Amino acid sequence: AQSVTQPDIHITVSEGASLELRCNYSYGATPYLFWYVQSPGQGLQLLLKYFSGDTLVQGIKGFEAEFKRSQSSFNLRKPSVHWSDAAEYFCAVGDYNYGQNFVFGPGTRLSVLP
Amino acid sequence: SQTIHQWPATLVQPVGSPLSLECTVEGTSNPNLYWYRQAAGRGLQLLFYSVGIGQISSEVPQNLSASRPQDRQFILSSKKLLLSDSGFYLCAWRGTGQYGYTFGSGTRLTVV
Repeated sequence: AQSVTQPDIHITVSEGASLELRCNYSYGATPYLFWYVQSPGQGLQLLLKYFSGDTLVQGIKGFEAEFKRSQSSFNLRKPSVHWSDAAEYFCAVGDYNYGQNFVFGPGTRLSVLP
Repeated sequence: SQTIHQWPATLVQPVGSPLSLECTVEGTSNPNLYWYRQAAGRGLQLLFYSVGIGQISSEVPQNLSASRPQDRQFILSSKKLLLSDSGFYLCAWRGTGQYGYTFGSGTRLTVV
């Protein structure tokens, strides 16, 4: 069965510092990978997605993620964090041909220090 | 453009009372619709999904039910709420041929 792990439950960084949020997946085929962000009390917003091709994908808000098949990872990065980036981040894996749903990771909560 | 509406935004209900949360999608037809629950400090749990009118699939046994009376309407219900039903409920849709979800803004349900 497919699964997604996000090893870091909570990360705190200083504003202006770089950020990397980890995501590892277990999947039998080539996965479709996603990162979503959730601000407090809000729904989830898609940051970026990977289907195929270039393994480094660019998303909104200055985020990027790199797909590494050998490591089964899809880590999210941002070179300089802004206070408004404080939120919860979810990695998800899916396959359009697999059932109807995706599997979400447990989430990583990001706090940003001024 | 496609939009998804979910209401109410917050709800406080006593134990044993009924529940009805509504989700509607605009600007698309025949979407796949989903209800997720997010308990405090936890990830997202898929509750129900629907690929068409009257077609409901349940992922986990629970005190809740879902219905899809119209193509772009998805309702989450309960006859008698339990304390454990408290959480943040998210509706989402995915169009045919699309690979990502679009989420609604969520409903914070507190059962007291």
